[in-house]
Amino acid sequence: DSGVTQTPKHLITATGQRVTLRCSPRSGDLSVYWYQQSLDQGLQFLIQYYNGEERAKGNILERFSAQQFPDLHSELNLSSLELGDSALYFCASSPPTSGGLYRSSYNEQFFGPGTRLTVL
Amino acid sequence: GQQVMQIPQYQHVQEGEDFTTYCNSSTTLSNIQWYKQRPGGHPVFLIQLVKSGEVKKQKRLTFQFGEAKKNSSLHITATQTTDVGTYFCAGQDSGYALNFGKGTSLLVTP
Repeated sequence: DSGVTQTPKHLITATGQRVTLRCSPRSGDLSVYWYQQSLDQGLQFLIQYYNGEERAKGNILERFSAQQFPDLHSELNLSSLELGDSALYFCASSPPTSGGLYRSSYNEQFFGPGTRLTVL
Repeated sequence: GQQVMQIPQYQHVQEGEDFTTYCNSSTTLSNIQWYKQRPGGHPVFLIQLVKSGEVKKQKRLTFQFGEAKKNSSLHITATQTTDVGTYFCAGQDSGYALNFGKGTSLLVTP
């Protein structure tokens, strides 16, 4: 158990719908990352938040958006869903690398169990 | 943008054989990380390499970072069935994002 939680575990929905995936980082971690994992594309970085602010953006579609709240949990919103959006969505968190009680000499990421999204 | 290529895509070995996966980046990296994902699981951090030419060992696993900081390898000596999974390298350049390779799926037959 990495300490990162994600809900729901599974989600089945129809094309054109909108869903929200939720992630709670490990205690003390300020960074949250979202990834999409599909069979043919591997692990694709979507977006990173640090202490409530967007820090880095990857291959995230305009139909997708995310935010990190003051309590540091994060939500990934996927709208106008298409069949091709079916994938495993991972959230990860990482400890601060300087200062604070939980700092780490590495910036390793701790992954949650993922949300499996199926779009029918 | 930065791309990380990983080969081979799949590797099937007999238990006791060695295994190596290679990772190449299109740009110079500030660091490279390796993760392992067991079937049905989530990626788990193995190690981070930062220095040019760095070599680190974890029991039967040996990690190397190239002199030019554009390539890396993971070598497993005498594989065991517990080594089954997909091994990902992830490169970080000057930005904050980690770019993952597509992974090498290792299957070990007893």
